[in-house]
Amino acid sequence: DADVTQTPRNRITKTGKRIMLECSQTKGHDRMYWYRQDPGLGLRLIYYSFDVKDINKGEISDGYSVSRQAQAKFSLSLESAIPNQTALYFCATGSGGDYGYTFGSGTRLTVV
Amino acid sequence: KNEVEQSPQNLTAQEGEFITINCSYSVGISALHWLQQHPGGGIVSLFMLSSGKKKHGRLIATINIQEKHSSLHITASHPRDSAVYICAVGFGNEKLTFGTGTRLTIIP
Repeated sequence: DADVTQTPRNRITKTGKRIMLECSQTKGHDRMYWYRQDPGLGLRLIYYSFDVKDINKGEISDGYSVSRQAQAKFSLSLESAIPNQTALYFCATGSGGDYGYTFGSGTRLTVV
Repeated sequence: KNEVEQSPQNLTAQEGEFITINCSYSVGISALHWLQQHPGGGIVSLFMLSSGKKKHGRLIATINIQEKHSSLHITASHPRDSAVYICAVGFGNEKLTFGTGTRLTIIP
C-alpha cells in the first residue's frame, strides 16, 4: 500500500455539488497538507494541519474546507464546486525537521 | 513571499547527456526541496537541502545559500528521467513556495 493514499483518483462533478477528497497516510506524520496544481502554476497550499486540533488556512482556502479526523486522515471538501476549481489536488505529509515530504498520487478533479 | 524561478522551463536532451536544472529564489530560506513529477502526475521527493550538496544515484543537488540558488544535475541521463522537476523553498516543512517546474524530455 502507498504511504499516502488519495481517493478518488479522478472525479467529474457538476457545478454546485459538494465533493470530498480523502487522504490517509501510514507514515505516522503529524503534518498534513492539501495542495492544488494548475497548468503553468506551481503547487499552491490550500490548508495544512500540524495535528488533529490544529488546522490552518493556506494561500487559497476560499471555497474549501478541511477535516482532520485522525492523525492519519485529512479530508478536503468543496462545499459548492465551481469550474475554476478544476485542478489536480495533492495531499502531502511531513514530519518536520529535515525529512522532506511524502505526496499522494493526486486527485484529478473536473467541475463541469 | 518568496519568488521561485526555475530554468529552463523545458529541456530536451539526448540519452547520456549531463543535465542541469536551475532554481533561484528571492528570500532567505532554511530548506530547499527538489521534487519529481511523473507523466502520470505523481510527485516524489528527491532531495531536501539546507546547505552544500547531496547525491543519490545519478542525481546530484547543490545549493548556494548566499547566492540563493540551487542546481539539480542528472548524470548519464536516461529516457526514464523524463519528468517535470520542481523546486520548492521554505522553512523546514512549513508552507513551501513552489516553482512552476522544468519539463525534461530525454530522447533515446
